[in-house]
Amino acid sequence: QSVLTQPPSVSAAPGQRVTISCSGSTSNIGNNYVSWYQQLPGTAPKLLIYDNNKRPSGIPDRFSGSKSGTSATLGITGLQTGDEADYYCGTWDSSLSAALFGGGTKLTVL
Amino acid sequence: QITLKESGPTLVKPTQTLTLTCTFSGFSLTASGVGVGWIRQPPGKALEWLALIYWNDGKRYSPSLKSRLTITKDTSKNQVVLTMTNMDPVDTGTYYCAPTVTSGFDYWGQGTLVTVSS
Repeated sequence: QSVLTQPPSVSAAPGQRVTISCSGSTSNIGNNYVSWYQQLPGTAPKLLIYDNNKRPSGIPDRFSGSKSGTSATLGITGLQTGDEADYYCGTWDSSLSAALFGGGTKLTVL
Repeated sequence: QITLKESGPTLVKPTQTLTLTCTFSGFSLTASGVGVGWIRQPPGKALEWLALIYWNDGKRYSPSLKSRLTITKDTSKNQVVLTMTNMDPVDTGTYYCAPTVTSGFDYWGQGTLVTVSS
């Protein structure tokens, strides 16, 4: 069981907005940056968000990140069928001196 | 353009030692703040961070696997090597390497599938 908690699945219709939560503690999310990754079926993960809310070059602004206290949220607007993927949050844990990933959330675009 | 490629055996026997090599280009592991990490993913399961090595040779390991892991770098070859001892069937999965230039793992290799079986 992951230290970072994500919902196993979320779903929404094309064109709609969806959010994915990631819950941790003061030793990880509460005091460190959060990143988000998209893993399309059969492919390697890709960085979507770093430093809580920054997008790497080439990531559309449909993807956004936010953090409040010990939780973080990934938002995706204008859902497309191509967004169907597993999404993972990640951060550092200062107490463990270890990187952490959430358990992953499967997004279904209905 | 940053690229990474993981290489190593596709099949190892239980109790054997696994050695994986990450060969990269497009960034320097001598640049301040840069690190390279290893992450694995059992079939159908979540990502699991294993180890990280920094530009200054600082090293961090997953607490649950620390006794079995060693990470090293060869900056002249642009390579990072991970060894994992005493392999078990539960260690079966895809192993990825990825650099940390920002606070996240910025780019990922294609991964290499390692199967542990007798």
